[in-house]
Amino acid sequence: ETGVTQSPTHLIKTRGQQVTLRCSSQSGHNTVSWYQQALGQGPQFIFQYYREEENGRGNFPPRFSGLQFPNYSSELNVNALELDDSALYLCASSLKASDSPLHFGNGTRLTVT
Amino acid sequence: RKEVEQDPGPFNVPEGATVAFNCTYSNSASQSFFWYRQDCRKEPKLLMSVYSSGNEDGRFTAQLNRASQYISLLIRDSKLSDSATYLCVVNGDNNDMRFGAGTRLTVKP
Repeated sequence: ETGVTQSPTHLIKTRGQQVTLRCSSQSGHNTVSWYQQALGQGPQFIFQYYREEENGRGNFPPRFSGLQFPNYSSELNVNALELDDSALYLCASSLKASDSPLHFGNGTRLTVT
Repeated sequence: RKEVEQDPGPFNVPEGATVAFNCTYSNSASQSFFWYRQDCRKEPKLLMSVYSSGNEDGRFTAQLNRASQYISLLIRDSKLSDSATYLCVVNGDNNDMRFGAGTRLTVKP
């Protein structure tokens, strides 16, 4: 069984730039969710994708956008980076069922300077 | 009020101790509950789901009290390897999971 993989592992960007983070879901999982985790906090929901469409969104501005591809892999795009966007970005795959637990990738640590 | 609240700790316990973590949640419509553990600078990993009748997995026991909107995790015979942050997770109403900020546990020799 292939787990969730994310790339890159670490990234340093400058304020105002754009970034794309990538995620491959666990085999057999058709739903991908993205979370942002600031230091000392629990993960915060950004959005979820199912069947290539956004299927729920947290309290994040439109400059956070995403895609899901037919093979269930996903991208998170963040435009006009701000210093506060510095965080660990976690991708999680799951089955569509609402009681299905999340399986996380190892995350992308983004630093915005 | 936060949607999922946990005592941040830290809990510092000796090996072999029993330790309990509590979590309260605000959404009475939540139906799915989990405990995750997160090691420093790593991703959260599923520890166990929490069922209405309570459930046990080895040294770990989870309890759910829907009336009080309260979840607990009990760890018996603590090991050094149990040192981590424990995250309480409750499903939201937006196809999301809502995480507490975590309770930090350190098990000492």
